[in-house]
Amino acid sequence: DTGVSQDPRHKITKRGQNVTFRCDPISEHNRLYWYRQTLGQGPEFLTYFQNEAQLEKSRLLSDRFSAERPKGSFSTLEIQRTEQGDSAMYLCASSLDRDVAEAFFGQGTRLTVV
Amino acid sequence: GNSVTQMEGPVTLSEEAFLTINCTYTATGYPSLFWYVQYPGEGLQLLLKATKADDKGSNKGFEATYRKETTSFHLEKGSVQVSDSAVYFCALSDRAGGSYIPTFGRGTSLIVHP
Repeated sequence: DTGVSQDPRHKITKRGQNVTFRCDPISEHNRLYWYRQTLGQGPEFLTYFQNEAQLEKSRLLSDRFSAERPKGSFSTLEIQRTEQGDSAMYLCASSLDRDVAEAFFGQGTRLTVV
Repeated sequence: GNSVTQMEGPVTLSEEAFLTINCTYTATGYPSLFWYVQYPGEGLQLLLKATKADDKGSNKGFEATYRKETTSFHLEKGSVQVSDSAVYFCALSDRAGGSYIPTFGRGTSLIVHP
């Protein structure tokens, strides 16, 4: 297993368009997280899955954002009607289902809304 | 809620200098503490961790000690190299609400000159 992979690495879209990102976690990891990172900031939590169940969502996650993890494997993050403020790096991370389990991150998808 | 505060960057040092990056935290429970590193163009990687008070995490010459009395987890290295130039993120994870969602600081950029 080569770690957490995200696709695409870069996405440029026009304002108002919908975009979807994919994350493939490390295969034995039950937990999956999405974060958003803007320049000069740390990762901000968006949402969390335990297997296929979406257990937590941040208040940052407006109703234009939706995430899924069908069958508890890969996950998708969709942003509808993109806005310029959505421009950021979107990070996916996964971890084992243990009390102290470090998160392993993908390289991220950089979204630019023009 | 949980939060992590890191010293502002960038930190600029000459090769072989001593490094300290300060990190303090606020947590509702008894958290585990982490340092992650992000090299240019790459994803976040775990550098070290500590799970209980007075534990010392160490890796690649970096160290950090979990200080519960001062709610701190400062990162240190005795002699930095040019290859240590990166952004360093302090993070915590605790069982708030039954989940272990990592919370990150805003990151501290380290620049090491030859």
